[in-house]
Amino acid sequence: NAGVTQTPKFQVLKTGQSMTLQCAQDMNHEYMSWYRQDPGMGLRLIHYSVGAGITDQGEVPNGYNVSRSTTEDFPLRLLSAAPSQTSVYFCASRPDSNEKLFFGSGTQLSVL
Amino acid sequence: GIQVEQSPPDLILQEGANSTLRCNFSDSVNNLQWFHQNPWGQLINLFYIPSGTKQNGRLSATTVATERYSLLYISSSQTTDSGVYFCAGQGGYQKVTFGTGTKLQVIP
Repeated sequence: NAGVTQTPKFQVLKTGQSMTLQCAQDMNHEYMSWYRQDPGMGLRLIHYSVGAGITDQGEVPNGYNVSRSTTEDFPLRLLSAAPSQTSVYFCASRPDSNEKLFFGSGTQLSVL
Repeated sequence: GIQVEQSPPDLILQEGANSTLRCNFSDSVNNLQWFHQNPWGQLINLFYIPSGTKQNGRLSATTVATERYSLLYISSSQTTDSGVYFCAGQGGYQKVTFGTGTKLQVIP
C-alpha cells in the first residue's frame, strides 16, 4: 500500500515554463487536495476535489489548474511558472469529509 | 472564513519535559486535526479530534468545541518529537485550513 505518491520530489523551472505535479493515491479516497507551504505561513489550500470530475478552488488558486478524471489521480498544473510559485507542494487525500487527512512526501519547486 | 491560531510559535524543551500546545479556532470550524512535520518535511496525522480526548502513547489531544480550542499534550518529550506541530480545522465545503504551527525543539 503506497498511500499518497507525489512526483517529482524536486523540480527547477524557468519563469514562463509549464509543468505538471503528479499526485496519485491507492486508497480509493474520494477527497484529494493540493497545498503549498511557504516559510512562516503554514500550509495554504490551492485546489481540492471531492470526487472524480469535481474540483473547487481553495485559498490560493491563481496560477494553478487541476482536473480529476479518475479517483486515483489529481495532477496540479502550472501553466506559466512565476518566481512567486517557488514553494513546497503537498498533496493530501482522505476517504470522506470526516476522516483523517493523509499527505504525500511533497515536491520542492524552484522557479528562477 | 476559517481562522486557526496556534501558540506558542516556538518552544524549546529539555528531553523528558512535558508540554502543551494550543490551537484556537473560529466558530465555523466543525472538526480539528493535529499533524507533526518532522525535520525531513514529512507530515504525519497525529489525531482527528472534533471533540473529546484521545491518546496515543505519550501524546494526547483534547478538543473543547463549545469553547473553540484544542490542546496537544506531549509527555516525557524525546528528541524525535522535534519538528513543527500543526492544527487544522475544517469548515464548510470541506476546506481544511492550517494554523501557522508550533516549532518544537527537544534538546538532550
